[in-house]
Amino acid sequence: QVTLRESGPALVKPTQTLTLTCTFSGFSLSTSGMCVSWIRQPPGKALEWLALIDWDDDKYYSTSLKTRLTISKDTSKNQVVLTMTNMDPVDTATYYCARAKALYGEVDVWGQGTTVTVSS
Amino acid sequence: QSVLTQSPSVSGAPGQRVTISCTGSSSNIGAGYDVHWYQQLPGTAPKLLIYVNSNRPSGVPDRFSGSKSGTSASLAITGLQAEDEADYYCQSYDSSLSGVVFGGGTKLTVL
Repeated sequence: QVTLRESGPALVKPTQTLTLTCTFSGFSLSTSGMCVSWIRQPPGKALEWLALIDWDDDKYYSTSLKTRLTISKDTSKNQVVLTMTNMDPVDTATYYCARAKALYGEVDVWGQGTTVTVSS
Repeated sequence: QSVLTQSPSVSGAPGQRVTISCTGSSSNIGAGYDVHWYQQLPGTAPKLLIYVNSNRPSGVPDRFSGSKSGTSASLAITGLQAEDEADYYCQSYDSSLSGVVFGGGTKLTVL
């Protein structure tokens, strides 16, 4: 059974850096074709893709946020970490990590999401 | 403003058929990139509903079907049920943005 779980702070202050960890099980990120994406959803708004890392350690970022994002993986720990710098109240959202079948592919398993509020 | 355009809302009575459209452009759907659909029930994470344009994951009822043509894709739901009331999102890849794109979502109301 494939599961993913997001963890990180529920509250961050403006200008701070957010670090989120995705801990997964049921698959290996060293297996060819496997990828993990981060996707967020502001309250009452649509889904927004943020970043993806694949089994080969290739990394892809949202064009509009790429200067603020860094994605990395620790295959031995089955974890993917996303950092987002210079947080702003507009970054308040539920952040999901999810398994993806390649950059062009579907997201087949989602974590439950973690809510992050940006406020002073 | 989402790269993939969806109608904000759609509604139908139980038992009816509804369709949800997803309109893109020549840099995403029109370029041949696959479309995937997700269902998000209130207060929950999205769930994969249709992958690679028209394929259903195991466990998804055959009341749900997907299609793609030109620069658009559609999700059809037949035999509408109260439990289908949710937000639906399409997803593809955009070569101009070099990234994954989602539609703005469509809220389905079962009357």
